[in-house]
Amino acid sequence: GENVEQHPSTLSVQEGDSAVIKCTYSDSASNYFPWYKQELGKRPQLIIDIRSNVGEKKDQRIAVTLNKTAKHFSLHITETQPEDSAVYFCAASTSSGSRLTFGEGTQLTVNP
Amino acid sequence: GAGVSQTPSNKVTEKGKYVELRCDPISGHTALYWYRQSLGQGPEFLIYFQGTGAADDSGLPNDRFFAVRPEGSVSTLKIQRTERGDSAMYLCASSFGGRDEQFFGPGTRLTVL
Repeated sequence: GENVEQHPSTLSVQEGDSAVIKCTYSDSASNYFPWYKQELGKRPQLIIDIRSNVGEKKDQRIAVTLNKTAKHFSLHITETQPEDSAVYFCAASTSSGSRLTFGEGTQLTVNP
Repeated sequence: GAGVSQTPSNKVTEKGKYVELRCDPISGHTALYWYRQSLGQGPEFLIYFQGTGAADDSGLPNDRFFAVRPEGSVSTLKIQRTERGDSAMYLCASSFGGRDEQFFGPGTRLTVL
């Protein structure tokens, strides 16, 4: 089955700096890659996603890149703010409606 | 509109007891998923329903776990003879049929003493 690895497990940045979180996946059939933000005690919230027919997607301060050949994808957050502090999870799935396989998560701390 | 809801928000039970966890998906979402999240880890897939039927139950850890969705809307996750290792956050998600995006509920925190 699919295996998703995520790093780093913790990331601390100064407010205004950029943050990058990287994930690799094992199943070449995976074609959908969402990113979720989970604040302490809250539900995972979908913040951005990318499909395998696209190499990059941007939404304001958040961008995701996908390298299908290398089977890795990354989350980029620019101009970080303290409210960006949370655990971020990457995930992968092989088809519409199928299970998501999650990475282990990255605890991002943005210091004011 | 209303998001995915789950009840109860917290459940404390004793080892060996039976528990039921409920999920109300977003109205009109035909796909429903159950995941389990242990502290400090990502959610792990348990089971996926498309309509009333379980399309993929390969993530259920053993036969003590069972889930139903009799009318294609609300789903119940049932755990028999609970064990301390079952303690975790149980998350439900739903999606519109044929779409990728899964929207999560707030979860049920299960504690088995």
